[in-house]
Amino acid sequence: KQEVTQIPAALSVPEGENLVLNCSFTDSAIYNLQWFRQDPGKGLTSLLLIQSSQREQTSGRLNASLDKSSGRSTLYIAASQPGDSATYLCAVRPMDSSYKLIFGSGTRLLVRP
Amino acid sequence: NAGVTQTPKFRILKIGQSMTLQCTQDMNHNYMYWYRQDPGMGLKLIYYSVGAGITDKGEVPNGYNVSRSTTEDFPLRLELAAPSQTSVYFCASSYPHTLAGESYNEQFFGPGTRLTVL
Repeated sequence: KQEVTQIPAALSVPEGENLVLNCSFTDSAIYNLQWFRQDPGKGLTSLLLIQSSQREQTSGRLNASLDKSSGRSTLYIAASQPGDSATYLCAVRPMDSSYKLIFGSGTRLLVRP
Repeated sequence: NAGVTQTPKFRILKIGQSMTLQCTQDMNHNYMYWYRQDPGMGLKLIYYSVGAGITDKGEVPNGYNVSRSTTEDFPLRLELAAPSQTSVYFCASSYPHTLAGESYNEQFFGPGTRLTVL
């Protein structure tokens, strides 16, 4: 059964720091992995989607990598800002189901001014 | 495009009451989903639909019902509310397709409904 784990559960950093959020999954048979941002009381905003054939995706200050063989993905945030404070969720789409997303429990990020 | 919209934003129910959470999307997506998110946890799939008239159970369907009479709408029904159904409910939609041999199914989420059952 596919399981997705995100460590750490919470992270507090000073503004300007570069940081890495981790996501691991137990079964490498996935179509893709998606990173989401969730602000308090709000829905999920898709940040980056990495297909299984890709190694990384970039959007602005965000870079997500995927190592399917080791079951890991990282989300790199460069030059963090207080506006980056949110919960970051990763989710995988397993190959045994065309529709399902399996979510991790998220990392709560606080960027201190 | 409004994307995926959900109503209401907040609701408090008493045990045993029923209600319907509404979800509408204007992207002409054929797949739609209902998830719940408990505090400090990831999202879990309740029900999904691959098109009008077709629905199926996800991981945690007990206590819920769905229907899909149109492409745009996918309401979620709670018949006998219980405290265990206190959660935030998210609706999502997607358009699965294949491009250059790759399978794509990016899901787009609504803002959520925060439900409390007392």
